[in-house]
Amino acid sequence: SAVISQKPSRDICQRGTSLTIQCQVDSQVTMMFWYRQQPGQSLTLIATANQGSEATYESGFVIDKFPISRPNLTFSTLTVSNMSPEDSSIYLCSVGPYQETQYFGPGTRLLVL
Amino acid sequence: KQEVTQIPAALSVPEGENLVLNCSFTDSAIYNLQWFRQDPGKGLTSLLLIQSSQREQTSGRLNASLDKSSGRSTLYIAASQPGDSATYLCAVSGNQFYFGTGTSLTVIP
Repeated sequence: SAVISQKPSRDICQRGTSLTIQCQVDSQVTMMFWYRQQPGQSLTLIATANQGSEATYESGFVIDKFPISRPNLTFSTLTVSNMSPEDSSIYLCSVGPYQETQYFGPGTRLLVL
Repeated sequence: KQEVTQIPAALSVPEGENLVLNCSFTDSAIYNLQWFRQDPGKGLTSLLLIQSSQREQTSGRLNASLDKSSGRSTLYIAASQPGDSATYLCAVSGNQFYFGTGTSLTVIP
């Protein structure tokens, strides 16, 4: 199993600012993912964070808005840039290959005013 | 594109009752199906993982079944307890994970 921590756990931000969310795993993992969960909705995959190369973004998500770093096999960051109220969501990171159990961090609750 | 649907969206039962949550998916080409629990304001906790070659998995009071050909899975919770109150999500794994919309369960003491 993997233990995942995220920082911050929650934040309230002003429109137009940026927030960087950190995800730390207690073991080395190949695949790390970032999800968004908007109020009352299920999870939507934002991107796959690749170690040593650019992240792979899903349709509807772009690097300028959600830049991702993956400097090593235990850590990743997601930045939500130029925020608007529509970005208010829970952001979750997860790890695990597609064929096995997925482990999730506790999430970052973001409110944009 | 894979679509995952969960029925019902919300369920309220008295303590001690057995219950079934349903999950359906449109593309049977999956690696596995997972059931998760999400408590309010928290992340997801994996409950059961069923590989595509398996029919069911059991953990304590939980039993999950998978019928890949018909695109269906059920999560059976026996002798429900107030601590089971949470949102239950199913997810199927293909070229990425696709999540259902969840079933919000309330177990009334």
